[in-house]
Amino acid sequence: QVQLVQSGAEVKKPGASVKVSCKASGYTFTSYGISWVRQAPGQGLEWMGWINPYNGNTNYVQKFQGRVTMTTDTSTSTAYMELRSLRSDDTAVYYCARSVKAADGWGQGTLVTVSS
Amino acid sequence: DIVMTQTPLSSPVTLGQPASISCRSSQSLVHSDGNTYLSWLQQRPGQPPRLLIYRISNRFSGVPDRFSGSGAGTDFTLKISRVEAEDVGVYYCMQASQFPLTFGGGTKVEIK
Repeated sequence: QVQLVQSGAEVKKPGASVKVSCKASGYTFTSYGISWVRQAPGQGLEWMGWINPYNGNTNYVQKFQGRVTMTTDTSTSTAYMELRSLRSDDTAVYYCARSVKAADGWGQGTLVTVSS
Repeated sequence: DIVMTQTPLSSPVTLGQPASISCRSSQSLVHSDGNTYLSWLQQRPGQPPRLLIYRISNRFSGVPDRFSGSGAGTDFTLKISRVEAEDVGVYYCMQASQFPLTFGGGTKVEIK
């Protein structure tokens, strides 16, 4: 079955960077896109962007342009999301989700806390 | 960007009674391929979201048939025919017809 396993919780200082990983199994990694979605404490879901593991094409939400980079390693079926210049309002749970027109498999989430 | 508006914000329901959630998009979700990529997600407390319904009305694998989706164009509805205790959580609509993908603000379903 489809499984997405994410890396563990992170605590970062303002201005630092974080890189979250998402290891996929149970399907052909290059056949489905990976979306990254975040959820601030007590808030709703916010889509950050998407990557096509087949060709590396990405689509980022405007507000994250220049601060986020999504990549994949097809040899290990792992997707990565790096967010730079962290601020306190980047504190959130970050999810990866398998997505081709619907998000049908989700990682367990990675809590990123930004605090001085 | 397409704005997704859900109502109500909260839905207190008696066990065994129906619940209905509405989702409206700021523009048509009909994709150039003719499909409408509107899905519904459930997020139970402390859990990641889970796909319930895709392309308006198709139940995802393992989803009970008490969940149903309907609608077209810009207006969509998720219905739970008889709410069970395990249905407590927040429900989100999501459109994937156009980048950026966008979510509704969420509807909290709780037991009265």
